Amino acid sequence: DTGVSQDPRHKITKRGQNVTFRCDPISEHNRLYWYRQTLGQGPEFLTYFQNEAQLEKSRLLSDRFSAERPKGSFSTLEIQRTEQGDSAMYLCASSLSGGAQYEQYFGPGTRLTVT
Amino acid sequence: AQSVTQPDIHITVSEGASLELRCNYSYGATPYLFWYVQSPGQGLQLLLKYFSGDTLVQGIKGFEAEFKRSQSSFNLRKPSVHWSDAAEYFCAAEDDKIIFGKGTRLHILP
Repeated sequence: DTGVSQDPRHKITKRGQNVTFRCDPISEHNRLYWYRQTLGQGPEFLTYFQNEAQLEKSRLLSDRFSAERPKGSFSTLEIQRTEQGDSAMYLCASSLSGGAQYEQYFGPGTRLTVT
Repeated sequence: AQSVTQPDIHITVSEGASLELRCNYSYGATPYLFWYVQSPGQGLQLLLKYFSGDTLVQGIKGFEAEFKRSQSSFNLRKPSVHWSDAAEYFCAAEDDKIIFGKGTRLHILP
């Protein structure tokens, strides 16, 4: 396995448009996490899945954001009616299981620019 | 509130010189502690982690970190930096979820 992959790597969209990002975790990992990283900041937790179940969502995840992991494998993050403040790097990570003893492996991220 | 603080936004060192990046955490109890590195176009890579036990932790790429409970610190060190170490470094702590510091960008002078 080559690690966590994310698609697309870059996305430029106009304000008000919807965008969807995909994350493919390491195949045997049942935990999948989404983070957002803005310029000059560290990654901030958005949400995570245990298999197909979404177990926690940050208050950062407004109702314009939705994430799915329908078959417990890949995940999608959709942002509806994008705003300029949504411009950021969106990072996905996966781990074998829950708990800090299981390392989270990060993908390269999707950089979103909202014009 | 739980937080991780990296007081230095930028650090510049000469190639071959020693390095120390500072990290302080604010938690009710000692969390799990991590250092990650992020290079342009690359994902975050875990350098090392501390859970318990020996307070000096060895990591990859010649990095080490020392946990000091009395100072709530987890500083990252390397005895001799290489030009390839230029990157952004994030300290992080995990209790319930991972909280990252804002990062320190390391610049290397030839």
